[in-house]
Amino acid sequence: EAGVAQSPRYKIIEKRQSVAFWCNPISGHATLYWYQQILGQGPKLLIQFQNNGVVDDSQLPKDRFSAERLKGVDSTLKIQPAKLEDSAVYLCASSLDPAETQYFGPGTRLLVL
Amino acid sequence: DQQVKQNSPSLSVQEGRISILNCDYTNSMFDYFLWYKKYPAEGPTFLISISSIKDKNEDGRFTVFLNKSAKHLSLHIVPSQPGDSAVYFCAASATNAGKSTFGDGTTLTVKP
Repeated sequence: EAGVAQSPRYKIIEKRQSVAFWCNPISGHATLYWYQQILGQGPKLLIQFQNNGVVDDSQLPKDRFSAERLKGVDSTLKIQPAKLEDSAVYLCASSLDPAETQYFGPGTRLLVL
Repeated sequence: DQQVKQNSPSLSVQEGRISILNCDYTNSMFDYFLWYKKYPAEGPTFLISISSIKDKNEDGRFTVFLNKSAKHLSLHIVPSQPGDSAVYFCAASATNAGKSTFGDGTTLTVKP
């Protein structure tokens, strides 16, 4: 069974530029999560989807971050415009449902200069 | 306010000995606890979990202990192996909510 796929793996941009990350969850997983992991810290949930609906986006900085999961399968996370403090690893995870184990992708490492 | 705390950023043990990683939480609503293992350049991988109705859960070399009154859990690895060297994250959630709150991790180094 294929795992959670994420692309790109690495991205370097300058502040005020825009960037987008893509995630393809494990087939059949209805729940999808985006986490931000800053160096030296644990993953912090940005947004949780159930199929194509948002369950929790309370910690998503909505003035610059947006995410969508239009067809209830893959998802994109966008930052516009990026700030220096957005430098982090962005992890996507999926699960069959919210009560089940989350499976993480390898993450996208973002560096904002 | 950090609801899940791993107070030891790093731990070094000798191969074959026991590794004990600790985690404290503050939110009384948490009733499901997980440990994840993370290698460099990879995403976290689920290791073991425990529900608040239990105080111990074992899976091979890994055992998690939960002390609800102290709001404390620990992960024991016996015997430790060099391949166990990784960052270990403690996470907590309220049942069925899906959303997990993570600690900042403990880097375990197992020396041959």
